[in-house]
Amino acid sequence: GAVVSQHPSWVICKSGTSVKIECRSLDFQATTMFWYRQFPKQSLMLMATSNEGSKATYEQGVEKDKFLINHASLTLSTLTVTSAHPEDSSFYICSARGSASSQQETQYFGPGTRLLVL
Amino acid sequence: GQNIDQPTEMTATEGAIVQINCTYQTSGFNGLFWYQQHAGEAPTFLSYNVLDGLEEKGRFSSFLSRSKGYSYLLLKELQMKDSASYLCAVMDSNYQLIWGAGTKLIIKP
Repeated sequence: GAVVSQHPSWVICKSGTSVKIECRSLDFQATTMFWYRQFPKQSLMLMATSNEGSKATYEQGVEKDKFLINHASLTLSTLTVTSAHPEDSSFYICSARGSASSQQETQYFGPGTRLLVL
Repeated sequence: GQNIDQPTEMTATEGAIVQINCTYQTSGFNGLFWYQQHAGEAPTFLSYNVLDGLEEKGRFSSFLSRSKGYSYLLLKELQMKDSASYLCAVMDSNYQLIWGAGTKLIIKP
């Protein structure tokens, strides 16, 4: 149980385009989803936390107008990188935390999405 | 401030035992997690400790001392596939995860 999927796994796009990444919890209801970014050989960096049906909470330094997060249902959250630039190239990883008592603590990660902006 | 410390890199031999330490200072405590992350992949959950003591799960064990703000991950009978980064994370009073920078474990034959 506790499987999280992400789509797409790889994106290559031109500078200035927008990219949408989907994160789904496949076998549990995720009340909270997290979006991370990880540059090569660096730590995970939390970008934002989203609760189903409410606005995402962004970490300091993360532009909410550039990284749009929508958590419309208990199984789906999307991250849209608007007007992507080469410096946005990174590994984007989502994680989800469930509502059941056995899931309230543990975050389960999706497989990640590699974004390359040319 | 909140702080998680773990060694940057460790090297061990195949078949041996290695202990990866993690010390933390956080605002509140709702549990400590260990995750494994292979190069180029997302983290996978290994263990969760919220009470003091040792939790054993196969070749991996995790220990917690809340009074000392200390945990370790113990890996036995090391295999080459255990080469990865091991991330320590603490859930604070707001149920947010505070991440350590990770320990890169290199296994040599």
